[in-house]
Amino acid sequence: DAGVIQSPRHEVTEMGQEVTLRCKPISGHNSLFWYRQTMMRGLELLIYFNNNVPIDDSGMPEDRFSAKMPNASFSTLKIQPSEPRDSAVYFCASRSTSGTGELFFGEGSRLTVL
Amino acid sequence: DQQVKQNSPSLSVQEGRISILNCDYTNSMFDYFLWYKKYPAEGPTFLISISSIKDKNEDGRFTVFLNKSAKHLSLHIVPSQPGDSAVYFCAASEVGSARQLTFGSGTQLTVLP
Repeated sequence: DAGVIQSPRHEVTEMGQEVTLRCKPISGHNSLFWYRQTMMRGLELLIYFNNNVPIDDSGMPEDRFSAKMPNASFSTLKIQPSEPRDSAVYFCASRSTSGTGELFFGEGSRLTVL
Repeated sequence: DQQVKQNSPSLSVQEGRISILNCDYTNSMFDYFLWYKKYPAEGPTFLISISSIKDKNEDGRFTVFLNKSAKHLSLHIVPSQPGDSAVYFCAASEVGSARQLTFGSGTQLTVLP
């Protein structure tokens, strides 16, 4: 079975540009999570969706960040405008809400903002 | 304030010896705990978990211990192997929060051959 699929794997952009990260969750999973990994903070939860509905976006750092889940098989995380401090690895994860908590992660999107 | 803390950013252990990774938490409502392992350029993968009704869970070379009174859990790997070298994240969740996971900052384990 395919796991969580993220794209792009690597993104290098200049400050001020728009960045869009994409995620396809595991089929049948109805919860989707966006995390950001940095050296200082480890894995931070940015936002999560249940059945395509955003439930908690309190981790989204600023209005420059937005996330959507138009259907059960696709989600985007957008940063506009991007800043150097946004440089990090962004992970998408999914799970079935009937599970006990185990998340399945994608391989991550490494973002570098120059 | 971090609710899940891994105070050791790194740990080096000789091959064949025991690796002990520690994790502390502050939220008494956490009732389910997990360990994830992460290799470079890959996403974290689930390793082992424990419910708060237990104090120990074992899976092969990996054992997780939970001390609820101390709000402390640990992951023991024995014997350690070079392939165990990775970043280990501790995570916790509570009932009623849609089981969202709160992660620690991770510990880089290096197993020396």
